[in-house]
Amino acid sequence: SQTIHQWPATLVQPVGSPLSLECTVEGTSNPNLYWYRQAAGRGLQLLFYSVGIGQISSEVPQNLSASRPQDRQFILSSKKLLLSDSGFYLCAWSVSGGNGYTFGSGTRLTVV
Amino acid sequence: AQSVSQHNHHVILSEAASLELGCNYSYGGTVNLFWYVQYPGQHLQLLLKYFSGDPLVKGIKGFEAEFIKSKFSFNLRKPSVQWSDTAEYFCAVNAPLGFQKLVFGTGTRLLVSP
Repeated sequence: SQTIHQWPATLVQPVGSPLSLECTVEGTSNPNLYWYRQAAGRGLQLLFYSVGIGQISSEVPQNLSASRPQDRQFILSSKKLLLSDSGFYLCAWSVSGGNGYTFGSGTRLTVV
Repeated sequence: AQSVSQHNHHVILSEAASLELGCNYSYGGTVNLFWYVQYPGQHLQLLLKYFSGDPLVKGIKGFEAEFIKSKFSFNLRKPSVQWSDTAEYFCAVNAPLGFQKLVFGTGTRLLVSP
């Protein structure tokens, strides 16, 4: 069966520290992968999406970056976190054509 | 750029009241449309989706939505809400032949009082 793993579930990091959030997908190949951020009052904002290994599209200018080193692995990173990076980060995948999406359980990041 | 508008940011209803949440999108081509729900402390769940065919789509828990192409709308409805419907509701759109990324609206927080 197809599953998506996202970790950690919660994270508290000081300002200026690095970040690495990992998302892996099982049971499918060549998925489209997405990173979303949910901030209070702003809904779900698409940050990055990837249609293949090494192919990353950035949706909004920000302090974050994404990488896809393997087909079913999607990593969200930052070299130096800002307070404004706090939020709830969701990973998702879909098949080509985008007829269905599966979301991970999310990571709540608090930058202090 | 593609966008989704949910004009109701907060809705408060009493149990048994009828619900309609508005959703409008901006894209001239063929679209897939979705409504997701996030109950307090839980993951995002799919309520219903429209790809093609009958523009009136029925989803889980008594929800339905109607796609009106001429109005670029996909409003969510439920004839009689329950306290357990308290949640945040998100409309989303993608284009199977165009942008495959899922674009969300800002969400509507629904509070149903018993």
